[in-house]
Amino acid sequence: EDKVVQSPLSLVVHEGDTVTLNCSYEVTNFRSLLWYKQEKKAPTFLFMLTSSGIEKKSGRLSSILDKKELFSILNITATQTGDSAVYLCAEGGATNKLIFGTGTLLAVQP
Amino acid sequence: NAGVTQTPKFRILKIGQSMTLQCTQDMNHNYMYWYRQDPGMGLKLIYYSVGAGITDKGEVPNGYNVSRSTTEDFPLRLELAAPSQTSVYFCASSYWTESGNTIYFGEGSWLTVV
Repeated sequence: EDKVVQSPLSLVVHEGDTVTLNCSYEVTNFRSLLWYKQEKKAPTFLFMLTSSGIEKKSGRLSSILDKKELFSILNITATQTGDSAVYLCAEGGATNKLIFGTGTLLAVQP
Repeated sequence: NAGVTQTPKFRILKIGQSMTLQCTQDMNHNYMYWYRQDPGMGLKLIYYSVGAGITDKGEVPNGYNVSRSTTEDFPLRLELAAPSQTSVYFCASSYWTESGNTIYFGEGSWLTVV
């Protein structure tokens, strides 16, 4: 059965800290790995990763994929309270479905 | 700039009632999805559609029905509502490229069954 596992489940940090969120996957016919940020409403798209070793970057957020070890990480540097959210990763598989992990709840304290 | 629009945003149902969650998208996406998200949990796929006239079950389809008569609309029907269907429901649409799938979500519908 295809699955996506995220860790840690929750994380509390202080503003200015750097955090690393993990996502591992076991899927047949891997196609892409996606990261989303979910605040109070719908998830918003962050990154789509398809190739190993190529870092995607957007401001203080970056992500990289390791297709050999079947995982991805999402880094957030110099965290701010506005980064507090649930971060979801998903595998955009070949079966027309997205398989989501349970998410990592990040709380950034002032 | 509508994107994916779902209604209603909030609804309280009594056990045994039925209702339809409406979803429409204006991006001409072939793929549409319904997910539910329980508190502290990830997104679970209920049903999805790869085009008008085609629907398929996801992980948790029991107690729900869908239809896709047009590209734009993908309503989700709850028959005989049960407390276990209390959840947040997200409709989504997507387009596929060779690399994968970029999905766009509606703002969610909060449903409580009492």
